[in-house]
Amino acid sequence: KAGVTQTPRYLIKTRGQQVTLSCSPISGHRSVSWYQQTPGQGLQFLFEYFSETQRNKGNFPGRFSGRQFSNSRSEMNVSTLELGDSALYLCASSLSGQGGEKLFFGSGTQLSVL
Amino acid sequence: GESVGLHLPTLSVQEGDNSIINCAYSNSASDYFIWYKQESGKGPQFIIDIRSNMDKRQGQRVTVLLNKTVKHLSLQIAATQPGDSAVYFCAENFAHYGGSQGNLIFGKGTKLSVKP
Repeated sequence: KAGVTQTPRYLIKTRGQQVTLSCSPISGHRSVSWYQQTPGQGLQFLFEYFSETQRNKGNFPGRFSGRQFSNSRSEMNVSTLELGDSALYLCASSLSGQGGEKLFFGSGTQLSVL
Repeated sequence: GESVGLHLPTLSVQEGDNSIINCAYSNSASDYFIWYKQESGKGPQFIIDIRSNMDKRQGQRVTVLLNKTVKHLSLQIAATQPGDSAVYFCAENFAHYGGSQGNLIFGKGTKLSVKP
């Protein structure tokens, strides 16, 4: 069974631009979560989607948004990019997003904002 | 296993020795805990998990210990190998079973370096 797939692997953008990242969960998994990883802040929760609905949201500004499609694939968007948005963005999936389920991560999209 | 920024705590061990990585978690209500391994250029890889109704769980070459009294979690790796070199993260979750997973709260990580 294929793991969580994220595209693209690397992105370079300039300040003020917007970016869209894509995630395909493990087949059969319906919950998708997004995390931001930086050297300074570590891994921080962005949001979680289940059945095309955002169920939980972390403490990030409204410039960060996401969505989930009927096939459970998910995208996240960052608008008006800032230098501080440079990070590894990780997508994770689980069967139904219920408490105590195992969460599996993709390899991430490395975003560099110049 | 807490640290700030680039200055991750580092544990250096000899190949074949046992490793113990520690983690202090923050929320006394957390009831589900996970250890992840992250190699350079990859996402976190699930190692082992434990629920709060247990204090010990064993996997293949790994053991997780949970001490709820002092909010402490540890990961023991037996017969450490060079392939175990990575950053290890603990994560906690208030799972409230059957409800939404919410989000995982990750520690800052510990870098394990295995000398051949």
